[in-house]
Amino acid sequence: QSVLTQPPSVSGAPGQSVTISCTGSSSNIGAAYHVHWYQHIPGTAPKLLIYANTHRPSGVPDRFSGSKSGTSASLAITGLQAEDEADYYCQSFDSSLSTMLFGGGTKLTVL
Amino acid sequence: QITLKESGPTLVKPTQTLTLTCTFSGFSLSSNGLGVAWIRQPPGQALEWLAVSYWDDDNRYSPSLKSRLTITKDTSKDQVVLTMTNMDPVDTATYYCALALAASSPYFDFWGQGMLVTVSS
Repeated sequence: QSVLTQPPSVSGAPGQSVTISCTGSSSNIGAAYHVHWYQHIPGTAPKLLIYANTHRPSGVPDRFSGSKSGTSASLAITGLQAEDEADYYCQSFDSSLSTMLFGGGTKLTVL
Repeated sequence: QITLKESGPTLVKPTQTLTLTCTFSGFSLSSNGLGVAWIRQPPGQALEWLAVSYWDDDNRYSPSLKSRLTITKDTSKDQVVLTMTNMDPVDTATYYCALALAASSPYFDFWGQGMLVTVSS
């Protein structure tokens, strides 16, 4: 059981939008530690999608956006494309555990 | 262009020590705010952060694995080495190294392709 909780799977048709949640607690997301998001296509290197809650690295399409509120964060993907099919992970820091944490991951299926 | 590449044995026996090397290019580990981290992913499981070595010689470890891990950097060779002692079959995983950006909540900007390490007798 991950300290950062993500839904195991989400799905959507091409062109639709999906949101992936990441729920933490008062010692990580709720303590104002930034949340970061990664896209991982199995067999390839994970890719940074969002850093510091809402910021997109250069080259990441604006179809991807991040938000944070209270003890949770979300990754929104609009205009779904087949190439978006991947595993998505949130990541933050936990002050009680004194460690960097990843969520359990969410598998996005593009129908 | 930033690249990182992991190297080391793909098969280790239980109780042995694993030594992995991350060779990187496109940045300097002497640069303020940068680090190189190790992260692993057991088959079918989530990512797990292991350790990070920062530009200022600050090394941090996952508390659950701290007693088994050592991370060192060689700035002149652009390499970071991770050793993990007393390997067990549950340590079978794909091991990644990544460029870490120092912050109150650090993050990983670029990743290597990863390498699968199997622990089996």
